[in-house]
Parts: sequence; structure tokens; C-alpha cells
Amino acid sequence: GQQVMQIPQYQHVQEGEDFTTYCNSSTTLSNIQWYKQRPGGHPVFLIQLVKSGEVKKQKRLTFQFGEAKKNSSLHITATQTTDVGTYFCAGSLSGGYQKVTFGIGTKLQVIP
Amino acid sequence: EAGVTQFPSHSVIEKGQTVTLRCDPISGHDNLYWYRRVMGKEIKFLLHFVKESKQDESGMPNNRFLAERTGGTYSTLKVQPAELEDSGVYFCASSQMNYNEQFFGPGTRLTVL
Repeated sequence: GQQVMQIPQYQHVQEGEDFTTYCNSSTTLSNIQWYKQRPGGHPVFLIQLVKSGEVKKQKRLTFQFGEAKKNSSLHITATQTTDVGTYFCAGSLSGGYQKVTFGIGTKLQVIP
Repeated sequence: EAGVTQFPSHSVIEKGQTVTLRCDPISGHDNLYWYRRVMGKEIKFLLHFVKESKQDESGMPNNRFLAERTGGTYSTLKVQPAELEDSGVYFCASSQMNYNEQFFGPGTRLTVL
């Protein structure tokens, strides 16, 4: 079955440092989504990437979708304590069907 | 607009007992999903409803789990009888037809002792 690998599982950074989490799928994806779960909270949708090689930015967050549509990354510039949480990628094989397979998540801790 | 709601927020039961979790999706969302997250592991897909129909239940662990969505509104997930390995946080999510953005509920933390 489809597998979505995500690394690293844990990351501690000093406030102000950059952070990147990587996602890799065993199969070509139709689209990929990113979610953030704050401690004690629930996953909240951040963004969806659909096109090969697509890059999207949300303030300090940069999302990329690989040319082969099998990998993706989320990069945070100059982390802040509000960035703390677990970031999940979620890949979808079919845009019409919408079933997604989640990665294990990257838990980010920001040290003030 | 109200978000996805789940009840209860926590449930502690003994092995062999029955528990029923409820999810109320956002009004108008035809897609409803159930997921489970065991501590430190991925958010695992359980099943997907489109309105009242089960579109995909390939993630359901075994026949101790039964999900329903009568009338295409709220959904229930029953675990009977519960086993220790069923412990985890059960999330429900909903989305509009043809939109991939899923809105998650707060989850139900199930502990089986």
C-alpha cells in the first residue's frame, strides 16, 4: 500500500534558527497537504500543493512539491515559539477520491 | 460557523467493554473521515463516508469496529469489545465534496485498561 515517510521525527531548534521537514512517498501523488497540530490540539490544514515543482509561501513558511510529485518539504525561516507543534504531510493518490495517507509527523520544539 | 465536534473528549474503559464515539461534521460537508493516532505514530486512516455511504473502510482494524452515518449527518464509531491496543486518539474530519482540505475535530482520547 501507499506509504508516506516523514523525517525527522523530532527537531529541537533555537528560536531564530530555520527548520525543515521532509516528506517522501512510495508512489506518485496527485496532491500533498500539510497540517499542523499544536500540543494538545488537533491537526489544522495549512496548505495543499498540486502541481509538479510547485512552491508556495505563507509568511515564514515555504512549501515545495517535487518535480516527480513524490516528495515535499516544509521550511520555516527564523522559527518562533509559536511554531511549536507537530507538522504532518498527507499525500493523496486521487484528487477525486480524497483519501489521504499521513506521514508520522515531525515534532518541532523551539527553545527560546 | 461551528467546527467539527466530537464526543466524548475522553473515555476510559476496561478491556472487553463497549465504547461509542460520536462525530458531528461541519454542516454541508458530505465527506466524513475517521482517523486514529496512537502516541508517537502516524495519523492512521480508518474509513471515509460520502454522505451516508462508506466510500472506503480499508483502514478499519477488524470487525470489532463499526462505523455508521445514518442520514448522512453525524457519525458514530463503536468499538466492541475494546482491546488494549485500541487506545489512542480518534479524530474525525470532514470536507466539502471535491475539496481536499479536511477540518479536524478535537479528537476523542480513548484509554482501554
